[in-house]
Amino acid sequence: AQSVAQPEDQVNVAEGNPLTVKCTYSVSGNPYLFWYVQYPNRGLQFLLKYITGDNLVKGSYGFEAEFNKSQTSFHLKKPSALVSDSALYFCAVRDVSRSGSASKIIFGSGTRLSIRP
Amino acid sequence: NAGVTQTPKFQVLKTGQSMTLQCAQDMNHNSMYWYRQDPGMGLRLIYYSASEGTTDKGEVPNGYNVSRLNKREFSLRLESAAPSQTSVYFCASSDLDFYSGNTIYFGEGSWLTVV
Repeated sequence: AQSVAQPEDQVNVAEGNPLTVKCTYSVSGNPYLFWYVQYPNRGLQFLLKYITGDNLVKGSYGFEAEFNKSQTSFHLKKPSALVSDSALYFCAVRDVSRSGSASKIIFGSGTRLSIRP
Repeated sequence: NAGVTQTPKFQVLKTGQSMTLQCAQDMNHNSMYWYRQDPGMGLRLIYYSASEGTTDKGEVPNGYNVSRLNKREFSLRLESAAPSQTSVYFCASSDLDFYSGNTIYFGEGSWLTVV
């Protein structure tokens, strides 16, 4: 069965420093991978996705993520954090090799990112 | 372009009461979803509809029913609310195109409290 794990409940970073939010996944075939961000009392907003091609994916708000097949990881990164990046971040995975009812997107438990001034 | 719209935004129910959460999308998407979000649990899929006329159970379907009324609308019904159903509910939609890695778009959420 497909699964996704976000090992850190919270990540704290000083403004201006680089940030990393970790995500690992498990699928039987090839994955589609996604990152979403959730601001307080709002729905999830799409940040970026990996489908195929270049392992480094660039997304909204200066975020990027690197797909590492050997480590089954898709960590979210940003070179210089902003206070406004403080939010809840979700990683999600979909197993490309499965169709129909088995092709659902599964979300991780979320990582709260806190950027201090 | 409103995207995904869900109502109501807030609701308090007594145990045993019933209610329906409404969802509509204006992006001409084929697939629609209902998730619930609980602290430390992330998002869990309740039901989804891959296309108009079809519905399937997700991870946590017990206590819920859904109706895909047409391509735009996908409602979630709680027949007899229980305190365990206190949660934030999100409706979402996506294209059916399986091979394009379709992105899911979310509504703003419905906060439901069952007392």
